[in-house]
Amino acid sequence: SQQGEEDPQALSIQEGENATMNCSYKTSINNLQWYRQNSGRGLVHLILIRSNEREKHSGRLRVTLDTSKKSSSLLITASRAADTASYFCATDPLARGSARQLTFGSGTQLTVLP
Amino acid sequence: EAGVAQSPRYKIIEKRQSVAFWCNPISGHATLYWYQQILGQGPKLLIQFQNNGVVDDSQLPKDRFSAERLKGVDSTLKIQPAKLEDSAVYLCASSLAPDRGRETQYFGPGTRLLVL
Repeated sequence: SQQGEEDPQALSIQEGENATMNCSYKTSINNLQWYRQNSGRGLVHLILIRSNEREKHSGRLRVTLDTSKKSSSLLITASRAADTASYFCATDPLARGSARQLTFGSGTQLTVLP
Repeated sequence: EAGVAQSPRYKIIEKRQSVAFWCNPISGHATLYWYQQILGQGPKLLIQFQNNGVVDDSQLPKDRFSAERLKGVDSTLKIQPAKLEDSAVYLCASSLAPDRGRETQYFGPGTRLLVL
């Protein structure tokens, strides 16, 4: 089953605008990660935020985590056409013990128009 | 450093045939994962290895899917016999030490399987 669910399923913006994607999940987590997937390619890790962190930045990316609401958001500022891709949140559930693994959501398809 | 390698990149087979996928993880990465990604969905974990031992294969359809990781390095995933619903991208990923704070997973380019 999908632990994380992204919202919206699809997002289309103009180059230079900001893009915000949201992720909701169901169980307590060790960390939450965001990945990007270009069409026909593998996933690329973007950023990891741990359960005791509330906000993290990496270049044009800003991730927030609200463990009380079991939600996260990914903000891409000053978007570029090259940011066009599918974005997935993935949760590392707390109850897995030694089997540390990720459960992926169904993704947000971002299209940045030039 | 070299990334995760997978082969073949594409495979077309008929139902009831068998197929095998190969993965070479990043050197030194103890943990290896196989995922199935159906079009329009996120990756779904099939099996997780720690070195050459299976950590979790609860979502692997064991009546037709098998996987092994000999010598704790390369891994193969096999489907026999294939069904139409096995059409998907099969992704391999590796991580250094997820139980010691090194949780980032590095993905290969995937193998796109079409079952006719």
